[in-house]
Amino acid sequence: EVQLVQSGAEVKKPGESLKISCEGSGYNFAKYWIGWVRQTPEKGLEWMGLIFPGDSDTRYSPAFEGRVTISADISISTVYLHWNNLKASDTATFFCARREIGASGHDSLDFWGQGTMVIVSS
Amino acid sequence: DIQMTQSPSSLSASVGDRVTITCRATQSISTHLNWYHQKPGKAPKLLIYATSKLQSGVPARFSGSGFGTDFNITVSSLQPEDFGSYFCQQTYRDLSLHTFGQGTRLTI
Repeated sequence: EVQLVQSGAEVKKPGESLKISCEGSGYNFAKYWIGWVRQTPEKGLEWMGLIFPGDSDTRYSPAFEGRVTISADISISTVYLHWNNLKASDTATFFCARREIGASGHDSLDFWGQGTMVIVSS
Repeated sequence: DIQMTQSPSSLSASVGDRVTITCRATQSISTHLNWYHQKPGKAPKLLIYATSKLQSGVPARFSGSGFGTDFNITVSSLQPEDFGSYFCQQTYRDLSLHTFGQGTRLTI
């Protein structure tokens, strides 16, 4: 059974750093892209970027490039989302999701983690 | 960047109703359009990919259609478990720009 299990909720102060995780199981972790999606009540779902754990090829949405870092550790089947300097505006729920590419070349996010809530407040 | 606009933003319907939600792209995305369903406090769940292909395990009362810039998802006979939010997502070309629609909240 494919599963993505994310780390727990976090409460941080502005300026602090944070790394949240997403551990995959039940499939060949190295061979599927993992994406990150931010959700807020104001903006809904936002595509942040994704990584291919097999070679760490990483793509960022322009809206998030330079604000977060996506990384992977194949040895423990885990992908990370990292901030160096949190802002109150980073408060959101973050989902990881596996990218599936169908036979026709169309891709989708077929399995999702349960979400990690991050609150940034002084 | 390709923007996705869903309509309506919210919808109230009854069990057994047929409902349709629309998603419009600012430029052609061929059939690179997915639909997700999300219940409060849960992760989104893939319903339909490539415009009209039902994800494994998704009931046949869900269907999708469209091409280019205009897309629909239809629920032929609403069930109580279908409440929640529906999101479209375009996955045309650039991996870094797979944008979502703003969502449609469906209340039963």
